[in-house]
Amino acid sequence: NAGVMQNPRHLVRRRGQEARLRCSPMKGHSHVYWYRQLPEEGLKFMVYLQKENIIDESGMPKERFSAEFPKEGPSILRIQQVVRGDSAAYFCASSPIDREEGYTFGSGTRLTVV
Amino acid sequence: LAKTTQPISMDSYEGQEVNITCSHNNIATNDYITWYQQFPSQGPRFIIQGYKTKVTNEVASLFIPADRKSSTLSLPRVSLSDTAVYYCLVSPAGGFKTIFGAGTRLFVKA
Repeated sequence: NAGVMQNPRHLVRRRGQEARLRCSPMKGHSHVYWYRQLPEEGLKFMVYLQKENIIDESGMPKERFSAEFPKEGPSILRIQQVVRGDSAAYFCASSPIDREEGYTFGSGTRLTVV
Repeated sequence: LAKTTQPISMDSYEGQEVNITCSHNNIATNDYITWYQQFPSQGPRFIIQGYKTKVTNEVASLFIPADRKSSTLSLPRVSLSDTAVYYCLVSPAGGFKTIFGAGTRLFVKA
């Protein structure tokens, strides 16, 4: 049973380009969460999705950032027109409905904007 | 969301027991206490969760006093591979907006 799969592990983009980060939740998990981690800091919540629904996006910047979790395929976090300040590690977590034992995190995507 | 305070860093030696204490003075009645471990270049990994008194699993114990304003993660006989950042989180069960603070950097020496 594979864990949460994120790809790519490392992504380099030039300023102004688009970044697409993918997350496949654990088998049987229907909830996906995205977090951002800056160097030497803890994780900050961005968005919570279920299949075809955004449940809570209160932690996600209003501009340039979007997320989706389609009926088929992985969840996608999209960052348009990236800037240097977007450089960070982006982690995806998934959980089953009950969430009694916390969340299972992926290994993250490290985005570097040059 | 309750705020937590924990030491920035701790050092230990292999084979010792390590106790990391976390303060959460404004914990709410429906809040649980959860600890995660994070290695460099990896996502956090769930260690243990509790509500009151003591919880033990195969990797750690969690001690929570009656007032629940603090909690202590206990790691028995640490090894070099336990060097990591440990996060104390307080939130309602399933609280996905849980605030991750800076955590405690544990460094285990040989």
